[in-house]
Amino acid sequence: GQSLEQPSEVTAVEGAIVQINCTYQTSGFYGLSWYQQHDGGAPTFLSYNALDGLEETGRFSSFLSRSDSYGYLLLQELQMKDSASYFCAVRGFDTGFQKLVFGTGTRLLVSP
Amino acid sequence: DAGVIQSPRHEVTEMGQEVTLRCKPISGHNSLFWYRQTMMRGLELLIYFNNNVPIDDSGMPEDRFSAKMPNASFSTLKIQPSEPRDSAVYFCASSGRGPGETQYFGPGTRLLVL
Repeated sequence: GQSLEQPSEVTAVEGAIVQINCTYQTSGFYGLSWYQQHDGGAPTFLSYNALDGLEETGRFSSFLSRSDSYGYLLLQELQMKDSASYFCAVRGFDTGFQKLVFGTGTRLLVSP
Repeated sequence: DAGVIQSPRHEVTEMGQEVTLRCKPISGHNSLFWYRQTMMRGLELLIYFNNNVPIDDSGMPEDRFSAKMPNASFSTLKIQPSEPRDSAVYFCASSGRGPGETQYFGPGTRLLVL
């Protein structure tokens, strides 16, 4: 089976940088995804890492280390609208490359 | 594109009643996923389809739950009979079929079973 660990809550102030970590266990590995979900909303895709290294998309970056079974989401120049829950999700060989297993989510609170 | 469409957006029903949730995936997507989200269990996959065929239903909680995809543009998730513990937000998502394909989620159906 698969399991993912991420912190339950992170707090930061506007303009700061925050890193949300995710460690995973899976039998075989295709890739790690990150999704954002605002209260009352639906999860929306942020990034996908299949290979080691850093992927940058605007203020958000995502990193993966396959050897360490570890990834993180980096949010820069935080804005109030970034307050949301962030989920890492893994695709593993044992579940087929399409099936996503989600972590329990990290609630990010951005204060003025 | 209109995105993934779900109906109803909210449903309140009484225990024992049948509930049917509906989903229209994004046109051209050939994979469809049903998820359930609760505070206790988080976001969990119930079932997914490729080209209208159910591929993995291991997340379906029990026989009271059933899902169908009669064609590429429509899917239903049915709960019969419903129970209070089924109260949750049910999301439908769709994607292309490649290994890194993004899943696009619908707005969800908020179900409350009294």
